Amino acid sequence: GAVVSQHPSRVICKSGTSVKIECRSLDFQATTMFWYRQFPKQSLMLMATSNEGSKATYEQGVEKDKFLINHASLTLSTLTVTSAHPEDSSFYICSARAGDFQETQYFGPGTRLLVL
Amino acid sequence: GQNIDQPTEMTATEGAIVQINCTYQTSGFNGLFWYQQHAGEAPTFLSYNVLDGLEEKGRFSSFLSRSKGYSYLLLKELQMKDSASYLCVQMDSNYQLIWGAGTKLIIKP
Repeated sequence: GAVVSQHPSRVICKSGTSVKIECRSLDFQATTMFWYRQFPKQSLMLMATSNEGSKATYEQGVEKDKFLINHASLTLSTLTVTSAHPEDSSFYICSARAGDFQETQYFGPGTRLLVL
Repeated sequence: GQNIDQPTEMTATEGAIVQINCTYQTSGFNGLFWYQQHAGEAPTFLSYNVLDGLEEKGRFSSFLSRSKGYSYLLLKELQMKDSASYLCVQMDSNYQLIWGAGTKLIIKP
């Protein structure tokens, strides 16, 4: 099956710093990538949807200036958490889709962020 | 490596009961999730099991046996809207998610 990678798998940073998370589709071209956030023992929460070459669509309540998403190529999307605070500590998961809506989303393994 | 095994596709009849099985590797375990995902939409959380036994939530129930590395999702009184993919997801000892490929459930009238 299709493989999606994320880097880093975990990161610890100081409050006020910015953290960049990469999501790559390794063996297919992803026209659409999704970014999710998950708190412990809770459901995934969709943060934003990004299409290659266009601006990301953010879900209600997600600050676009705080969570910068760039989908510069068909195999790479990045999520930058700017001026991170402890409440941003969470599990961030990306997924990628090759084609249209009926195509399967393939999920990355996730990135665990801890802001001190 | 760490593998999640679940059937690729299942077919059931409206009004019936279906059980979707999932096996996982027992080394490193912090819980087992089931998600529902309709085509083109984000996954929807269904259940979380960390202790052995059956968790019932309306028409959906989820079972876990940690010693066997086995879980199932039971759907009762199937409705057409239950046609979706069902994802079995393990949280390992590092709190990383290991995602199954999903079981596509087709409901027929």
